Amino acid sequence: DGGITQSPKYLFRKEGQNVTLSCEQNLNHDAMYWYRQDPGQGLRLIYYSQIVNDFQKGDIAEGYSVSREKKESFPLTVTSAQKNPTAFYLCASRATPTSTDTQYFGPGTRLTVL
Amino acid sequence: AQSVAQPEDQVNVAEGNPLTVKCTYSVSGNPYLFWYVQYPNRGLQFLLKYITGDNLVKGSYGFEAEFNKSQTSFHLKKPSALVSDSALYFCAVSLSGGYQKVTFGIGTKLQVIP
Repeated sequence: DGGITQSPKYLFRKEGQNVTLSCEQNLNHDAMYWYRQDPGQGLRLIYYSQIVNDFQKGDIAEGYSVSREKKESFPLTVTSAQKNPTAFYLCASRATPTSTDTQYFGPGTRLTVL
Repeated sequence: AQSVAQPEDQVNVAEGNPLTVKCTYSVSGNPYLFWYVQYPNRGLQFLLKYITGDNLVKGSYGFEAEFNKSQTSFHLKKPSALVSDSALYFCAVSLSGGYQKVTFGIGTKLQVIP
């Protein structure tokens, strides 16, 4: 988990609220990613950013938004439009977007909707 | 489209015995293959990857994996299992060349019995 921090570790949200998950990396990596993990479904890509000030939708972007204003930061906002947000959220980064580079993961944030 | 199959939800092995966690993949081209391990409520830790070259790849904590192109497999192995190896293991695939997404399997739970 070294080099990538996610906060908070646990987050509780009431229905109708937007919440923002933080992801910071000190690895000087260009590319950053957000995944959602649900039991029995593996990891699904929400959004990714190959370079600062640019990002693209992944496979399940509906109800989520991101920004990449700084190279080291890639926050994820879970909006009220996301119908089933309870999940474990993982942030990852890699040195470049090139496929040969390894993705490294943060420790995760567990979001629970009350 | 690319995909990864981890056919076993759970693998049980006695401590000291060899272990194998299976992974097969499907891509329309040359694959890059990865193995990660996840401990409860933690992020994914990188174990090893195959990019090119020797089909037998050695990684962290005594793990290795063999790339078999004809069987489209990338099974994870360790000669002698430890109780501390008990965790969730993910196989992942990416298509070679440029910037490609990474597709993860649904994970295999490894239980090492003392």
